[in-house]
Amino acid sequence: QLVLTQSPSASASLGASVKLTCTLSSGHSSYAIAWHQQQPEKGPRYLMNLNSDGSHNKGDGIPDRFSGSSSGAERYLTISSLHSEDEADYYCQTWGTGIQVFGGGTKLTVL
Amino acid sequence: EVQLVESGGGLVKPGGSLRLSCAASGFTFSYYSMNWVRQAPGKGLQWVSSISSSSSDIYYADSVKGRFTISRDNAKNSLYLQMNSLRAEDTAVYYCARVRSGGSISHSFDYWGQGTLVTVSS
Repeated sequence: QLVLTQSPSASASLGASVKLTCTLSSGHSSYAIAWHQQQPEKGPRYLMNLNSDGSHNKGDGIPDRFSGSSSGAERYLTISSLHSEDEADYYCQTWGTGIQVFGGGTKLTVL
Repeated sequence: EVQLVESGGGLVKPGGSLRLSCAASGFTFSYYSMNWVRQAPGKGLQWVSSISSSSSDIYYADSVKGRFTISRDNAKNSLYLQMNSLRAEDTAVYYCARVRSGGSISHSFDYWGQGTLVTVSS
């Protein structure tokens, strides 16, 4: 079964960096994922597509502070030089034939 | 500029029906597969349904299969979701989302609407 697992919460200080993790279920370590950001009371926003080799394609207007990387079944989103507006929920997404799957989301608090 | 604008949400009684619409602009709508995704209050994102560019391929989450119908009108640049036999657990904000890769139904979503709220309650 295709499942994505995310930690429910993370926190980091203003100006620091944070690395969020999304883990693919067993047998699906080659899958690409996407990262989405959802600020409070807003619709989601596409950040990037992230392949198993770590290559990624960012969405329009996404700052260089956002980057992605991969290791095995883990997919990472790193946000550097944290801004207050980075406080949001972050979701990973993957897909198969006839199915789309979201992780449970990570709530990022910027201290 | 790509824009997706949902409408049609509201309050409906259990067992009732509602039709959501998503108006697309800023891109060639007929080239892209589209999706509906929902978010219950205080919860995460849940995929609902996908439709290919020509409507030849359609998929549903098990939780809505047999009750919801996705459709599109490429001439009107519009996506729809007909929701029947609504339940309290269908209460959510419903978003339409575009699939990133033109021509593929199975890929990431690269643009989202702002959502429309559906409340199912007596």
